Amino acid sequence: AQSVTQPDIHITVSEGASLELRCNYSYGATPYLFWYVQSPGQGLQLLLKYFSGDTLVQGIKGFEAEFKRSQSSFNLRKPSVHWSDAAEYFCAVSDSYGGSQGNLIFGKGTKLSVKP
Amino acid sequence: DAGVTQSPTHLIKTRGQQVTLRCSPKSGHDTVSWYQQALGQGPQFIFQYYEEEERQRGNFPDRFSGHQFPNYSSELNVNALLLGDSALYLCASSQGQGKKYFGPGTRLTVT
Repeated sequence: AQSVTQPDIHITVSEGASLELRCNYSYGATPYLFWYVQSPGQGLQLLLKYFSGDTLVQGIKGFEAEFKRSQSSFNLRKPSVHWSDAAEYFCAVSDSYGGSQGNLIFGKGTKLSVKP
Repeated sequence: DAGVTQSPTHLIKTRGQQVTLRCSPKSGHDTVSWYQQALGQGPQFIFQYYEEEERQRGNFPDRFSGHQFPNYSSELNVNALLLGDSALYLCASSQGQGKKYFGPGTRLTVT
């Protein structure tokens, strides 16, 4: 069965520092992978997605993620964190139904705190 | 464009009661998916509606049911509420299986 693991429950970084959030997936075929961000009182917002092609994908708000098939990973990175990036981040894989974006299987999330 | 809207924002129910949550999809979207997000967990897929029919269902009991109306809006119904049903319920809309847009959610507390 498909699954997503986010090993870090909570990460704290200083403003201006770089960020990497880890995501590992289990999936039998070529996965469709996503990163979402959730701020308090807000719905989930899509940061970026990987379907195929270039394994380094760029997203909104200066985020990027790299797909590594050999490591079953899809880690999210940002070179310089801003205080407004404090939120919860979810990695997700799409199930096989419906093609490019079937229903989503989420990890448990990583809460990001940003120190001034 | 109002995006995906959900109502109510919060509600409190007692064990054994029934609840109905509502979702209005983003303009132009015909597909609605529902997710349950328990505290400290990622969202879990409940079911998806398209053309007024349930197209796919996650691992949730029959106490969870839904409906989609001709205007594409949707309801999630939960019967015989349990304490474990306390969660944030998220609605996501899409045009077919395109990009999903999530609403802010309904926070359900069961006491």
